[in-house]
This record gives sequence, structure tokens and C-alpha cells, in this order.
Amino acid sequence: DQQVKQNSPSLSVQEGRISILNCDYTNSMFDYFLWYKKYPAEGPTFLISISSIKDKNEDGRFTVFLNKSANHLSLHIVPSQPGDSAVYFCAASRLGGDSWGKLQFGAGTQVVVTP
Amino acid sequence: NAGVTQTPKFQVLKTGQSMTLQCAQDMNHNSMYWYRQDPGMGLRLIYYSASEGTTDKGEVPNGYNVSRLNKREFSLRLESAAPSQTSVYFCASSEAYISYNEQFFGPGTRLTVL
Repeated sequence: DQQVKQNSPSLSVQEGRISILNCDYTNSMFDYFLWYKKYPAEGPTFLISISSIKDKNEDGRFTVFLNKSANHLSLHIVPSQPGDSAVYFCAASRLGGDSWGKLQFGAGTQVVVTP
Repeated sequence: NAGVTQTPKFQVLKTGQSMTLQCAQDMNHNSMYWYRQDPGMGLRLIYYSASEGTTDKGEVPNGYNVSRLNKREFSLRLESAAPSQTSVYFCASSEAYISYNEQFFGPGTRLTVL
């Protein structure tokens, strides 16, 4: 039973445009969310995170938005660059209880940035 | 710093064979993790070690054992491999067993069980 869902397995976007990646979660107890980026034949690398006390977090070209009432978060990449072509994983966690420290990952979205 | 290293990079096993996946980190991290990645499933936690001397089951521990050999090394053992264990395995580490601590991943081991 996947508690974190990324319903778009792939996304194609033109260089310079905005990429919007979506993530939905079913466990309303999640209160910390992360995005990881993965290139082929490499391990995932941390990109950006947000806690439930915020609705937006920005880091350069990357912004994550959290809509707690809809159990939904999104990652915006502006502007998209060819080096952004990768698989992006959404992850969620609880900051307490017996889930402390455990991450639940979505299935990932493959982003392809075209010239 | 090499970060998180994993050996081997690729492995093919026959059903019933055993093997150990090795993982080491040089960042002096306290916590280490083993994940598997399957198509359409994302990464799933197999076992983790919150600190040296402790190990705990994750989401999918059946068929696996782990050893936290020391602070640097965390190995994953398949005692009797099954085709369902065909997957890409990632080791990760973090400074502490806390969600907001970034986890650093190794490059992965691609395992095929025939």
C-alpha cells in the first residue's frame, strides 16, 4: 500500500520552461517532505525539503509547495535546464512516533528537458 | 571523501545462492540504511541501523539479514536468493536517525536472481 504517490511516471519539458512535478500522500500524519533527484547509475541525491509548518520552500531554481489540506505537494523547477533531466522522487516522513527517521518514497517521475 | 561506497556494482545469482552486499561510508555518520528499488515502486526500506550496535527492520525485511560491522560499515546478506529479490539495492547514511537529516546514497548494486 503506497502512501506516497507520484502519478506521472514521466514529464517532458522544453529548456527554459517550468517543470511541475506532483506528489500526493495518503497518510495525513506525515509532516516532513523531501525531494530527491537521481541520475542513471547513481544513487539519489537530496534536492529540497519542507516541513508541515510551511507551505513553501525555495532554493534557487527549485521551489516546493505543500498543500496540507489536499495532502499534496509539488516541485517547481524554473527555468528547466538539460542537466535537470533525471528521475525525481518524492519522500515523506513523520518526525515522531515509531516512524521517526523512516522515509516513504514515491515511485518517481522521469523528467526529460529538451532543447 | 568517497561518501557512500557499495560493492559489488553488479551481481547475478542463481536461486538459492547466498551473497553479501557491502556498504561503507566515510562521513562519520551514525545511521545507515538499506533500500531496494523496483520499477513502479520507488525505494523501500529493508533494514536500518540508527546507531552503531543497533539494527531494525524496515518495510520489506523478509529474506534479508544485516550486520552493522562498525560505524563505517553496514552489510546486507541474502541467505537464499529468490527471483523476487532481483532489484537495485541502495545503501544510505545520515548524520542521525532523524527525518530532516539528509540521507546520502551510494551508487547502488544491481542484483539479478535467476
